[in-house]
Amino acid sequence: GENVEQHPSTLSVQEGDSAVIKCTYSDSASNYFPWYKQELGKGPQLIIDIRSNVGEKKDQRIAVTLNKTAKHFSLHITETQPEDSAVYFCAASSYSGAGSYQLTFGKGTKLSVIP
Amino acid sequence: IAGITQAPTSQILAAGRRMTLRCTQDMRHNAMYWYRQDLGLGLRLIHYSNTAGTTGKGEVPDGYSVSRANTDDFPLTLASAVPSQTSVYFCASSETFTYNEQFFGPGTRLTVL
Repeated sequence: GENVEQHPSTLSVQEGDSAVIKCTYSDSASNYFPWYKQELGKGPQLIIDIRSNVGEKKDQRIAVTLNKTAKHFSLHITETQPEDSAVYFCAASSYSGAGSYQLTFGKGTKLSVIP
Repeated sequence: IAGITQAPTSQILAAGRRMTLRCTQDMRHNAMYWYRQDLGLGLRLIHYSNTAGTTGKGEVPDGYSVSRANTDDFPLTLASAVPSQTSVYFCASSETFTYNEQFFGPGTRLTVL
């Protein structure tokens, strides 16, 4: 099955600096890579996603890059703000048989933005 | 529009007791999922349902069962709870079972003593 590794597990940055979170995956057939943000006491919320036919995607201060050859993808947050503080999860979608696709999640990165 | 609702918000349960976690969505999504979240382990898939009337096993299905009698509801049952099932449980849904956005509920914090 798919295996997703996420690094770092914790990350502290000064407000205004950039933050980068990296993930690797094992199944070369994986074709969809979402990123979720989870605030304390809440469920995860999708912030950006990328499909395997695209190398980079941006949405305001957030960008995701995908290298299918190396099987890794990264989340970039620029001009960080205190409200960016949360736990971030990467995931990879792969075919699991019987017509089903499943998301496999990384273990998460706790981002702290210091004012 | 509520999206996904889960009940209860939290529960303390004695080991050996039966417990059903409820999940309801109002988005008419075909696919629904149950995950458990444990510190340091991320989110792990317990069971899923691609459409009403069908269910499948995820990564950690042992000790759990699900049913999908209709589109909106996807209850998760612990037949005989054990302390290792102490976790935060999240229900999620997506429009289809192929690769698209999963929407998560607010979670149920379950403690088994």
